[in-house]
Amino acid sequence: AQKITQTQPGMFVQEKEAVTLDCTYDTSDPSYGLFWYKQPSSGEMIFLIYQGSYDQQNATEGRYSLNFQKARKSANLVISASQLGDSAMYFCAMREGRSTENYGQNFVFGPGTRLSVLP
Amino acid sequence: DAGVIQSPRHEVTEMGQEVTLRCKPISGHNSLFWYRQTMMRGLELLIYFNNNVPIDDSGMPEDRFSAKMPNASFSTLKIQPSEPRDSAVYFCASSIMSYEQYFGPGTRLTVT
Repeated sequence: AQKITQTQPGMFVQEKEAVTLDCTYDTSDPSYGLFWYKQPSSGEMIFLIYQGSYDQQNATEGRYSLNFQKARKSANLVISASQLGDSAMYFCAMREGRSTENYGQNFVFGPGTRLSVLP
Repeated sequence: DAGVIQSPRHEVTEMGQEVTLRCKPISGHNSLFWYRQTMMRGLELLIYFNNNVPIDDSGMPEDRFSAKMPNASFSTLKIQPSEPRDSAVYFCASSIMSYEQYFGPGTRLTVT
């Protein structure tokens, strides 16, 4: 079964508008972390935002915010005031286990959503 | 601060040749990950190391692939012999414990 689902292969948004990219996840571990990455056409993977399963508040980083609905197992990325430079692939990823463990753990990535910002 | 460094950035080789990809993680990071990205399969974890020790190599496609991390600042991914289906972008990433991973620029491998 897919652990990370991103149901929108492609999305369009008008410049300066807000857009929500969907991500649902599947885990039975009570401790986990959720991450969003951006991959522009140049190919690099850029970390955007992180949400821990025990975090009480939704994460925010500048124009990025994470709409975390634990009961629904969803972690949607909201980009406010879209810019042309936001056009890219966006990947949702999950790490199972507590972040305080003294070792790294593998991430599972979703298939990605391609966002196109229109002028 | 230098990010994750990968070399080469592009590699074109003929089927049957040995290919070695190199990675230098961010200084102080104790976990290193190798991923492969293709259009068909997306981003796949191949192997990861904690404190230079391989933890999970279940993603390595077959015996033709091997990875080493002889010290905290260097890792290699080797394919021998290479095949056309190995053509992909290979990413190396590093992290401190299980916090966010920082990716290198990737190596685009083409096997003809």
